[in-house]
Amino acid sequence: DTGVSQDPRHKITKRGQNVTFRCDPISEHNRLYWYRQTLGQGPEFLTYFQNEAQLEKSRLLSDRFSAERPKGSFSTLEIQRTEQGDSAMYLCASRLGTGSSYEQYFGPGTRLTVT
Amino acid sequence: AQTVTQSQPEMSVQEAETVTLSCTYDTSESNYYLFWYKQPPSRQMILVIRQEAYKQQNATENRFSVNFQKAAKSFSLKISDSQLGDTAMYFCALMYSGGGADGLTFGKGTHLIIQP
Repeated sequence: DTGVSQDPRHKITKRGQNVTFRCDPISEHNRLYWYRQTLGQGPEFLTYFQNEAQLEKSRLLSDRFSAERPKGSFSTLEIQRTEQGDSAMYLCASRLGTGSSYEQYFGPGTRLTVT
Repeated sequence: AQTVTQSQPEMSVQEAETVTLSCTYDTSESNYYLFWYKQPPSRQMILVIRQEAYKQQNATENRFSVNFQKAAKSFSLKISDSQLGDTAMYFCALMYSGGGADGLTFGKGTHLIIQP
């Protein structure tokens, strides 16, 4: 499978715990995106990387959230001191940074439930 | 700030019928891209069709076509000869193409149900 993969697919955690999600983009894609999708809503942009550089962060990304892409390949999204409002689907997407397609390819998502 | 509005939370049509999903958007930018993404139940989001704002010709992909009205900031999706496999959430999305702000802005989605 050469698509975008995310791990874990589901995560249940207690309020106050830290969680970390991983995203593996399509191998030749240098741009990687994180989105959050709550029930009944469209995805909301959180942040994106070009190679290892984090170029943009949404105001939705509070200081409890941190994302990294240390070698320009996979990325991690960490949420510290989780709150019930963090319960959502976290989607990762990737695309080529060159060319005219602009198509983002999405992973299956990580569903987070905070109890 | 960019906004995308989908005013139809849910639509239901019979198989083989034609259905049109509505989308309006607001942006102050002149260079942008518009997309329709499909999210089947419990499956990942996939691109259905895209439109470059600088192109006047409406995009088509097999049974899927768009009606892009730039002045009205409207971007509707038409699905012809609908099939059971078209049942999904459909999201309209916008992306600024001028560099810098690179994330997609999505609407709330339309749940499309194709009845047999």
